[in-house]
Amino acid sequence: EVHLEQSGAEVRKPGESLKISCKGSGYGFGSYWIAWVRQMPGKGLEWMGIIYPGDSETRYSPSFQGQVTISADKSINTAYVQWTSLKASDTAMYFCVRLSGWWHLGVYFDYWGQGTPVTVSS
Amino acid sequence: EIVLTQSPGTLSLSPGERATLSCRASQSVSGSYLAWYQQKPGQAPRLLIYGASNRATGIPDRFSGSGSGTDFTLTISRLEPEDFAVYHCHHYGNSLFTFGPGTKVDIK
Repeated sequence: EVHLEQSGAEVRKPGESLKISCKGSGYGFGSYWIAWVRQMPGKGLEWMGIIYPGDSETRYSPSFQGQVTISADKSINTAYVQWTSLKASDTAMYFCVRLSGWWHLGVYFDYWGQGTPVTVSS
Repeated sequence: EIVLTQSPGTLSLSPGERATLSCRASQSVSGSYLAWYQQKPGQAPRLLIYGASNRATGIPDRFSGSGSGTDFTLTISRLEPEDFAVYHCHHYGNSLFTFGPGTKVDIK
């Protein structure tokens, strides 16, 4: 069974760094793109970026380029998103999600992690 | 950049009623890249429909998707108590993934 297990809730102060994780199981982790999606409190879903763990090719949403770094370690089936200097506005739920389909035929997000809540407050 | 608009913002219905949710794109898009997700409070979204009209594995047939060009629709033929949730439409195009703002279906 496909499963994405995310790391637990985090509380940080503004200016601190953070790295959260997403571990895949039940499928060939290196063969599917993994995306990160932000949901701010009471708001909609925002795509942050996506990585192919097989070769670590990464693409970012223009809104998140330079704000976060997405990485992956296929040897341990884990993807990450990290911040070097958090802001209060980074307070949100962060989801990892697997991409299925084919780029030239149609793609969609089929399996979602449970979410990692991040709170940034002084 | 393609912008997705969902309407209505909130839909108040009773169990057993039919729900019709709209997702409109700012320009014509391929339905192959249009999906719908359901999200309940405190949970991750769940894939319902991909390719505009294909039900995901395990999704009941009361859920159906249709549309093309700029107008797409998610229909729930008869609302069950567990269907009251927020529904998001989603599109991939021009190297960008975009979500609509969501439609909340709540109990009347």
